[in-house]
Amino acid sequence: IAGITQAPTSQILAAGRRMTLRCTQDMRHNAMYWYRQDLGLGLRLIHYSNTAGTTGKGEVPDGYSVSRANTDDFPLTLASAVPSQTSVYFCASSEWADSYEQYFGPGTRLTVT
Amino acid sequence: GQNIDQPTEMTATEGAIVQINCTYQTSGFNGLFWYQQHAGEAPTFLSYNVLDGLEEKGRFSSFLSRSKGYSYLLLKELQMKDSASYLCAVRDSDYKLSFGAGTTVTVRA
Repeated sequence: IAGITQAPTSQILAAGRRMTLRCTQDMRHNAMYWYRQDLGLGLRLIHYSNTAGTTGKGEVPDGYSVSRANTDDFPLTLASAVPSQTSVYFCASSEWADSYEQYFGPGTRLTVT
Repeated sequence: GQNIDQPTEMTATEGAIVQINCTYQTSGFNGLFWYQQHAGEAPTFLSYNVLDGLEEKGRFSSFLSRSKGYSYLLLKELQMKDSASYLCAVRDSDYKLSFGAGTTVTVRA
């Protein structure tokens, strides 16, 4: 059982390029989340999905979009990357939106130059 | 929104006890969480408090006072493997988590 997988592990991206970070979970969890983690700022919620077919905005959604076509996948897209989007991105899931434990993927380290 | 404060760094000796404090201001409270994150790895869940009082889980305990907007994580019998960042997080009425910046604990031999 893999849990949550993220791809790529790391990426260097030129500013202005489009990029999709992939996240897949095999736990049949209903809720999924995208966070970014920056030194000194901690984890900040970008977007979330409480169930397949629904999405919502978190604390820092600008410049990012998500979709939730099925239970397992929750891709995060940067339409036109900017250097301030350099960060470590974590995908997470929980069985339900009100479950107390979130399970995190291994993260994607993104550098925008 | 949430405003969550915790110390940046703490150092302790192997076998000792360390207490990590977390204070928060919230517009809606639906639980306080502690996560552990080793360097270069993903966060992992440690504890959850929604009512006032102490929750004990092995060497780790977490305390909550909702009226004071205060929590602490107590790590007992410290081991070298406990060197990590400890993240305090508050959940709002929409079940969204807000995290503090994290406390890096270094355990010395």
